[in-house]
Amino acid sequence: DSGVTQTPKHLITATGQRVTLRCSPRSGDLSVYWYQQSLDQGLQFLIQYYNGEERAKGNILERFSAQQFPDLHSELNLSSLELGDSALYFCASGGGRSGHSGNTIYFGEGSWLTVV
Amino acid sequence: AQTVTQSQPEMSVQEAETVTLSCTYDTSENNYYLFWYKQPPSRQMILVIRQEAYKQQNATENRFSVNFQKAAKSFSLKISDSQLGDTAMYFCAFMKHAYGGSQGNLIFGKGTKLSVKP
Repeated sequence: DSGVTQTPKHLITATGQRVTLRCSPRSGDLSVYWYQQSLDQGLQFLIQYYNGEERAKGNILERFSAQQFPDLHSELNLSSLELGDSALYFCASGGGRSGHSGNTIYFGEGSWLTVV
Repeated sequence: AQTVTQSQPEMSVQEAETVTLSCTYDTSENNYYLFWYKQPPSRQMILVIRQEAYKQQNATENRFSVNFQKAAKSFSLKISDSQLGDTAMYFCAFMKHAYGGSQGNLIFGKGTKLSVKP
């Protein structure tokens, strides 16, 4: 158990809909990352938050947005969903106070999104 | 920009034997970290081993060890005494050191699919 919690584990929705994926980081971690892994694809970095602020942005579509709340949990919002958005979405955390996590990033179990 | 290359899309090894997975990376950074993650069929991402670039000593975790060649920008993973449970996709990843308290993000290679055969 990595200590990173993601919900829901599985989600099926229709094209054009909007979904929210939720992530609770490891205790003490300040950074939250979102990654997308499509079928037979590598891991694509979407976005990073650190202590509530956006820190880095990767290949995140304009239809997607994220935020990190004061309690450090994060949400990834996916809107106007298309078939191609079907993927495994990982949340990861790291970068705690005073070197906690030792510059290592730990992954949650992922949220499987299927768009039909 | 940093890139990570894994040149072996697939590999297989007999149970109890040793296998080495290759990884090269490109960066102009001097302070960074390298990782190997394992993704079994369950698709969970599991940290296997971690190496700090400033450390010359190669990291070791039980049956897993790395050969880190900083000048050559090479970071291979050796799995000794392979077990059936080692069957997985293995991803090499790079993370640059970030200042100001936060970490950088991981940049992944495309992965090597390892099959351990009985």
